[in-house]
Amino acid sequence: DTEVTQTPKHLVMGMTNKKSLKCEQHMGHRAMYWYKQKAKKPPELMFVYSYEKLSINESVPSRFSPECPNSSLLNLHLHALQPEDSALYLCASSQDRDRGSYGYTFGSGTRLTVV
Amino acid sequence: AQSVSQHNHHVILSEAASLELGCNYSYGGTVNLFWYVQYPGQHLQLLLKYFSGDPLVKGIKGFEAEFIKSKFSFNLRKPSVQWSDTAEYFCAVTSERGSSNTGKLIFGQGTTLQVKP
Repeated sequence: DTEVTQTPKHLVMGMTNKKSLKCEQHMGHRAMYWYKQKAKKPPELMFVYSYEKLSINESVPSRFSPECPNSSLLNLHLHALQPEDSALYLCASSQDRDRGSYGYTFGSGTRLTVV
Repeated sequence: AQSVSQHNHHVILSEAASLELGCNYSYGGTVNLFWYVQYPGQHLQLLLKYFSGDPLVKGIKGFEAEFIKSKFSFNLRKPSVQWSDTAEYFCAVTSERGSSNTGKLIFGQGTTLQVKP
């Protein structure tokens, strides 16, 4: 299994809702990442988990709350989002955070619309 | 801070034309360099990567890139483009262990390539 699986593929939520995005990989990778991508823009790093511990938070607002329950799973909990948070949310994994040469595998993303 | 610059924001070519997309990065230490492609409505796919060895890297779909350390560049090339190459192209860089940027894969702004049939 060489994939990163993200669910759901599409999500529409209201500004008062609470929802979660899920990311799963079974490649034995020990680093996992959340990126946000707006249309026609590059992905922007949000969070990095290394060995199930949060190692990088790129000053992301607290309405985004990441969680890494185990080495294969990464969640992003969403609460009180704003319409400008509408974007494609990408999950990625790599074998080791400290060795970028191993490469990164990206999921297909969750397209989030906040109404 | 580490950064990546892609000089061409929008490139329009006819089929069979040659392609070169520029990419420069700012970090002076040991880096790993990537080119990703994103077809309309699809996810990021890795075209090629460089981390050591031969500075001329060959990737999928006939793409190649050359790492020139003295110029901090990693330009993407293809001798003859096809209509199906129409997509967004992103250059990305990450640094090795020991850097404050460890673990961060930083993307350039992207280049939109439009190939006319």
